[in-house]
Amino acid sequence: DTEVTQTPKHLVMGMTNKKSLKCEQHMGHRAMYWYKQKAKKPPELMFVYSYEKLSINESVPSRFSPECPNSSLLNLHLHALQPEDSALYLCASSQTVLRGNQPQHFGDGTRLSIL
Amino acid sequence: GENVEQHPSTLSVQEGDSAVIKCTYSDSASNYFPWYKQELGKRPQLIIDIRSNVGEKKDQRIAVTLNKTAKHFSLHITETQPEDSAVYFCAAAAGGTSYGKLTFGQGTILTVHP
Repeated sequence: DTEVTQTPKHLVMGMTNKKSLKCEQHMGHRAMYWYKQKAKKPPELMFVYSYEKLSINESVPSRFSPECPNSSLLNLHLHALQPEDSALYLCASSQTVLRGNQPQHFGDGTRLSIL
Repeated sequence: GENVEQHPSTLSVQEGDSAVIKCTYSDSASNYFPWYKQELGKRPQLIIDIRSNVGEKKDQRIAVTLNKTAKHFSLHITETQPEDSAVYFCAAAAGGTSYGKLTFGQGTILTVHP
């Protein structure tokens, strides 16, 4: 019953590959987020989008490129990743960030392995 | 930036006992404090949250308390059940340009023994 859907669930890629992670929500939320979670660690915020505009970038390396093509979709484009980028990538959404902090709801994540 | 410390890192209780997890935060501008439960291999699930204008909030067996002066907040689970076993994360977020910016604690592994 997850309302934030992420694809693919698993991804294995080489360091020279280009791939994309996809996130979709149909709750009418206008804020969407990317987090990175390493094993046995908490989620770490990467990006925040508000009304399809990037509002927070937590100094993420440029090999990660986010995109928000519309209010329901959030992509994360990956290029020239390093082995240390292997992690669970979580997408989340909330109603908005313009009227204060709102509950964030997470998807099941994409487990990424870099060879 | 915000720093959230969470204790204990592991907590083991017998079924039916209470469990308490504590977090402290550093940024006095933080005004939103959610708690997430994450079972192995699954997504973080929001279980309860509290805002800075409220001192306590309850939802069935779960309660959260907030002490703004001391900058700490706690999760209380009563009548624990084996299905409560999971990793619990606290988090804090400030306002203004930091809306949506959740900083998480390091997590507490809760084990409830039948």
